[in-house]
Amino acid sequence: QVQLVQSGAEVEKPGASVKVSCKLSGYTFTDHALHWVRQAPGQGLEWMGWIDTDNGVTRYSQRFQGRITITRDTSANTAYMELGSLTSEDTAVYYCARGEQYWGQGTLVTVSS
Amino acid sequence: EIVMTQSPDTLSVSPGERAALSCRASQNIRRNLAWYQKKPGQAPRLLMYDASGRGTGFPARFSGSGSGTEFTLTISSLESEDFAVYYCQQYDSWPRTFGQGTKVEIK
Repeated sequence: QVQLVQSGAEVEKPGASVKVSCKLSGYTFTDHALHWVRQAPGQGLEWMGWIDTDNGVTRYSQRFQGRITITRDTSANTAYMELGSLTSEDTAVYYCARGEQYWGQGTLVTVSS
Repeated sequence: EIVMTQSPDTLSVSPGERAALSCRASQNIRRNLAWYQKKPGQAPRLLMYDASGRGTGFPARFSGSGSGTEFTLTISSLESEDFAVYYCQQYDSWPRTFGQGTKVEIK
């Protein structure tokens, strides 16, 4: 079955970067694009960006442009989302999602001094 | 960027009653709309796709309608497990955007 397994919780200091991974199984990795979505405490869902896992083309929300990088390693069936210049407002649960249907379990990123 | 606006923000409903949630797009998105159910501590679950296609595992009391800029999610008779936050999302154009969510709570 399709599974998306994300890396564990992270605690980072303001100004640092965080890299979250999403390992996919149960289907051909390059057949489907991946999205990254986050939810800050008490807030709604926010779309961050997308990667075509076949050719590596990315699209990002303007809100994160310049400090987000989404990559993939096809040999490891894994996608990565790196977010830099962290502030306390980046404290959130980060999700990867294949299309609309399959989601990772979420990764809590806490930004605190 | 397409702005998605949901109403109401909170809906207080008694079990067994009907609930209707609205989602409006700032421009025509045809039927490229998904609804998600979100519960605390869980990943979002795809409830509806292409405006009216029901997601895996969701019963027939959930239905979706609409096209263009106006969409509705209806729960015909609320059960205890349906109390959650519901989000709409458009996938007609980039960037993908979500509504702010409607919380369905027990009256």
